[in-house]
Amino acid sequence: QSALTQPASVSGSPGQSISISCTGTSSDVGRYNSVSWYQQHPGKAPKLIIYDVTNRPSGVSNRFSGSKSANTASLTISGLQAEDEADYYCNSYTTGSTWVFGGGTKLTVL
Amino acid sequence: QLQLQESGPGLVQPSETLSLTCTVSGGSVSTNNYYWGWIRQPPGKGLEWIGNIVYSGSTYYNPSLKSRVTISLDTSKNQCSLNLSSVTAADTAVYFCARRRAGDSGLEDWGQGTQVTVSS
Repeated sequence: QSALTQPASVSGSPGQSISISCTGTSSDVGRYNSVSWYQQHPGKAPKLIIYDVTNRPSGVSNRFSGSKSANTASLTISGLQAEDEADYYCNSYTTGSTWVFGGGTKLTVL
Repeated sequence: QLQLQESGPGLVQPSETLSLTCTVSGGSVSTNNYYWGWIRQPPGKGLEWIGNIVYSGSTYYNPSLKSRVTISLDTSKNQCSLNLSSVTAADTAVYFCARRRAGDSGLEDWGQGTQVTVSS
């Protein structure tokens, strides 16, 4: 079970849009619509921001959106704000009823 | 308001068993509507899924940890527990418990996490 592949870092200026990719295989991301995304600020627990590829939990800003194409899922953040600076992780269901995280992406707001 | 609180020793000796408890308040572990799970994060590194359990008793473990992990529920105390045997320094991490709704992919509720260091 290998970790999903995410870019180590991305950056953007306030007001811009950025996307974070999460690449898996036909055994996880490509097979199931069970991809979620988490935001983690330093020293804090992760917070769910997207589930089932595209769904936002109640209370999460509509600036966050998710999508998927083949074996790659993506998180897009529009209208970047300083508070969006954090680490972001994807997570996918896999064959064998297990789950796997991505390696994480550090977002810097310039 | 659901709350999850991890507890356990902050220091564990190498080769010993790491034992942690997640106490649930504002909800019940005695339901098949949710999966209760553990995730860990080594210092400066990413998240690693450890495993899940549901009230019916079904458990699911990370294949890389399966031989050393046991997750269980104590319905009388409304707790979820993690045991990880034969620990080494590589098991040093912050350990989180979390809840996932059955049929959804999101870990919607998390504990604050507890730091465990493996060292003699």
